[in-house]
Amino acid sequence: GQNIDQPTEMTATEGAIVQINCTYQTSGFNGLFWYQQHAGEAPTFLSYNVLDGLEEKGRFSSFLSRSKGYSYLLLKELQMKDSASYLCAVRGRDSNYQLIWGAGTKLIIKP
Amino acid sequence: DVKVTQSSRYLVKRTGEKVFLECVQDMDHENMFWYRQDPGLGLRLIYFSYDVKMKEKGDIPEGYSVSREKKERFSLILESASTNQTSMYLCASSDRSRVIRAQHFGDGTRLSIL
Repeated sequence: GQNIDQPTEMTATEGAIVQINCTYQTSGFNGLFWYQQHAGEAPTFLSYNVLDGLEEKGRFSSFLSRSKGYSYLLLKELQMKDSASYLCAVRGRDSNYQLIWGAGTKLIIKP
Repeated sequence: DVKVTQSSRYLVKRTGEKVFLECVQDMDHENMFWYRQDPGLGLRLIYFSYDVKMKEKGDIPEGYSVSREKKERFSLILESASTNQTSMYLCASSDRSRVIRAQHFGDGTRLSIL
């Protein structure tokens, strides 16, 4: 079957660094996405990885290892506004449209 | 910026009613999607459409239908609403011509079936 695993909830301190992991088992691979979703709001696109390595975008970075079926989202210099759920999603090889979604990681930032 | 607009943020309906959820996007995207989002579960795809009048079943199409008569509008229909369809419904669109084809979401409709 196809499966994406990520921790249910994480807590971190303002100003610190946090890493949110995502492991996947899918029939083929054609890209991995990270989305941010604040409570009661729409998910918004953060990053996309299709090749191994690190993609950096400001305070956020995303890493992919295809051989390990593993990705992480790294958030630096945490701010209170980073409190949100972070969703990992994978596009399988055979689909140009569909994404397989993880259940999301709720990140709580404490002062 | 891409704008995906869902017709209602909150909706309360009764069991057995026919319910229509509307979604409009303003970026001329070919692909449109309907998901439901429940606590502890990932986004689950109900239906998607890759062109006008085209539709494909997702993972949980039972009890739902869709309509796409115009490129910008994708409607989700609950034929006879049931309490287990109480959920958050999210519409999304994406540009088929782009390499990444990231999905852009509306704010969601929180639907309660009584």
